[in-house]
Amino acid sequence: ELKVEQNPLFLSMQEGKNYTIYCNYSTTSDRLYWYRQDPGKSLESLFVLLSNGAVKQEGRLMASLDTKARLSTLHITAAVHDLSATYFCAVVTGAGSYQLTFGKGTKLSVIP
Amino acid sequence: GAVVSQHPSWVICKSGTSVKIECRSLDFQATTMFWYRQFPKQSLMLMATSNEGSKATYEQGVEKDKFLINHASLTLSTLTVTSAHPEDSSFYICSASIHEQYFGPGTRLTVT
Repeated sequence: ELKVEQNPLFLSMQEGKNYTIYCNYSTTSDRLYWYRQDPGKSLESLFVLLSNGAVKQEGRLMASLDTKARLSTLHITAAVHDLSATYFCAVVTGAGSYQLTFGKGTKLSVIP
Repeated sequence: GAVVSQHPSWVICKSGTSVKIECRSLDFQATTMFWYRQFPKQSLMLMATSNEGSKATYEQGVEKDKFLINHASLTLSTLTVTSAHPEDSSFYICSASIHEQYFGPGTRLTVT
């Protein structure tokens, strides 16, 4: 059974600071996603990572994937209040599948 | 592209009644749709996977007689919560897949 662990689950950080959210998964997978969720809203897709060493960046967020370590990171650079949200990583459950297994989410609060 | 809608966006119903939630892929045909439930401050829990024209596959612990899923076409899946109880109050999110999952905006169900 695929397990996905995120840490930290809660993160409070000051504006302007950098931080990293970690996502570990237990079995081989060929795709990993990062999503953002605002309160009362559905998921917004941020990144899809397909291969070992993949790195994607959008604004102050950068995601990377190490398939050998089964680890993905979401790095936040110079945080701003607008980044406050809950971030989920999700891993495709099996080869050729679209089914996702989600981490528990990281609730990020950026304090002015 | 890849837009998924849900209707209604929120619904309040009385205990013992049934509620139907629709999930539509607006600009693509989805062979597979997924239904998730999300309780406050928790991650998404997959309830069932539905393929057009066939019976849904339910996750362990999800009562198939209570949560009826119909996937009548490549663009429409419905979830009916039968004999709803207050503990069924939750945020229900569907997704439709073509190469990856695209998430609907969610339906907030409150059972009084």
